[in-house]
Amino acid sequence: ILNVEQSPQSLHVQEGDSTNFTCSFPSSNFYALHWYRWETAKSPEALFVMTLNGDEKKKGRISATLNTKEGYSYLYIKGSQPEDSATYLCASVNTGGFKTIFGAGTRLFVKA
Amino acid sequence: EAGVVQSPRYKIIEKKQPVAFWCNPISGHNTLYWYLQNLGQGPELLIRYENEEAVDDSQLPKDRFSAERLKGVDSTLKIQPAELGDSAVYLCASSLDRGRTQYFGPGTRLLVL
Repeated sequence: ILNVEQSPQSLHVQEGDSTNFTCSFPSSNFYALHWYRWETAKSPEALFVMTLNGDEKKKGRISATLNTKEGYSYLYIKGSQPEDSATYLCASVNTGGFKTIFGAGTRLFVKA
Repeated sequence: EAGVVQSPRYKIIEKKQPVAFWCNPISGHNTLYWYLQNLGQGPELLIRYENEEAVDDSQLPKDRFSAERLKGVDSTLKIQPAELGDSAVYLCASSLDRGRTQYFGPGTRLLVL
């Protein structure tokens, strides 16, 4: 994998559903993996940064895991709420020049 | 603490006109980024500064785009002349150091007619 890929592209869920998205990134020359949340008409907001294989981070109902050997990260949202509706971006940073590459994002719609 | 400030928020110009965007990063952040974001895509890096030095401008279309970060603080991004395909959101971000969490401004939405 040369680019950062996110799936699914979009997701529609009902309030209360739990959901998860995937971010695939180049495993070679890995430095860090970031997750951002981007609400419409606002600035992207940092959620998590992970650097070590097996890292798990949690903030409220949102959590993330990291597998640097196979090059993927999962973001989980437990009990989705309408205010969780946003685009979730992941970004991989490599050690070769510390270049940051963003995925295209997963757009989440939570219906009340 | 003030976040990353960008101006203008919106800009509509005719093709072939020049346009400039301004960014004030978070105080103390050494690294500053300019990104281009097209609808349905993730942000794409145009240029990254570490202090006043442009350390990665490989994706900056240098025939029409230019940027500067005088004194290692504020930065401006210029397009001259603008083309229809330049219509996009231009995001500025800053971080304490390279590879660290980036803090984004609200972006400038550019429409070229």
